[in-house]
Amino acid sequence: GENVEQHPSTLSVQEGDSAVIKCTYSDSASNYFPWYKQELGKGPQLIIDIRSNVGEKKDQRIAVTLNKTAKHFSLHITETQPEDSAVYFCAAFTPFSGGYNKLIFGAGTRLAVHP
Amino acid sequence: NAGVTQTPKFQVLKTGQSMTLQCAQDMNHNSMYWYRQDPGMGLRLIYYSASEGTTDKGEVPNGYNVSRLNKREFSLRLESAAPSQTSVYFCASSSLTGGVPSNQPQHFGDGTRLSIL
Repeated sequence: GENVEQHPSTLSVQEGDSAVIKCTYSDSASNYFPWYKQELGKGPQLIIDIRSNVGEKKDQRIAVTLNKTAKHFSLHITETQPEDSAVYFCAAFTPFSGGYNKLIFGAGTRLAVHP
Repeated sequence: NAGVTQTPKFQVLKTGQSMTLQCAQDMNHNSMYWYRQDPGMGLRLIYYSASEGTTDKGEVPNGYNVSRLNKREFSLRLESAAPSQTSVYFCASSSLTGGVPSNQPQHFGDGTRLSIL
């Protein structure tokens, strides 16, 4: 079935360094790829997304790249800050039943940014 | 801005008990979803409601029922709770495109942490 693999599962960086999280998806029909940040005790919060007709998207310190041929997409966080510490999830929309596209989530990456 | 509100935030049940998790959104979204989150497994879709008056099964619907009460509210019911249903439950909502929920950002509540003994 469809799945999304996410690596690494944990990532530890020094404040100011960059962090990269990578995901691969299995369904070539997937066409929308959101990234969520989840802080302790909170729900996932959308931080950036990218659609299949775009190769890269940037929002301040956050960027996402998409390689449709290789079926992988990545989240890049530059100049990391302690408040970036959280669990990050990638996801891919994939066809489900009844014309509905469902979100398939990766297993998450726990990012720790050390001062 | 409340967004998506879930109640209760925490609950402990005994095996066999029933309960209903409540969810309400104030963003005028047509589509609503229930997910469960287990350690190391991301989020998995339990049920969804594409629009008011419709509900459909997701990936892991067994042991659950849902009701789309109106456009704002979508509840999840455990009729006879089992320890395997210990999890964090998230409700989400999104707008509709072309009559089906697709390719639109989903907005999540802060979850209900459910333990079943």
